[in-house]
Amino acid sequence: EAQVTQNPRYLITVTGKKLTVTCSQNMNHEYMSWYRQDPGLGLRQIYYSMNVEVTDKGDVPEGYKVSRKEKRNFPLILESPSPNQTSLYFCASSQSDRRDYDGQYFGPGTRLTVT
Amino acid sequence: RKEVEQDPGPFNVPEGATVAFNCTYSNSASQSFFWYRQDCRKEPKLLMSVYSSGNEDGRFTAQLNRASQYISLLIRDSKLSDSATYLCVVRDTGGFKTIFGAGTRLFVKA
Repeated sequence: EAQVTQNPRYLITVTGKKLTVTCSQNMNHEYMSWYRQDPGLGLRQIYYSMNVEVTDKGDVPEGYKVSRKEKRNFPLILESPSPNQTSLYFCASSQSDRRDYDGQYFGPGTRLTVT
Repeated sequence: RKEVEQDPGPFNVPEGATVAFNCTYSNSASQSFFWYRQDCRKEPKLLMSVYSSGNEDGRFTAQLNRASQYISLLIRDSKLSDSATYLCVVRDTGGFKTIFGAGTRLFVKA
């Protein structure tokens, strides 16, 4: 089954404790992206990756890191989480961002709470 | 001004009604346009890509007006299962950055 998986699905952590949210897709997609969703603000792009070893900042990259060492994986790293990073996070992928009509497939989301 | 703006909603309509969602975008160089649907606490799912000439998929019709920087989604014969939040999405010229509208909530009632 074609899918994007994220782990963990739910996480409660404390300020400053480094964490990684994993994202994996089995569709051989080139493009992957991370978003956060907050009430009243909608989905905002954190980072995206056009292919292996190629990443760039979205609209809200502060406090986050990413890496793309393999095509299928795109982990999101919070080196020192803070309460303002409490949010619902989605990973997404698509075949190629140069194909105008390809939409993105989203993972199920990770609900993160930082206390 | 937000880069992508949608009707704030919510829209409350009876079953069988026709409902229209509107979306405007600020970057005239935007390249690709989409409508997604999101159910409560779930991931967004692609509903339709929006083609320059407009396109239809069953009860759903999407239109794009590049001159006015305006996108629309029309749902005919609304079903209870159409209740969800509808998200307007715009990708930039390079195709890498993606901007979501805040979404419009739809409630379809029996």
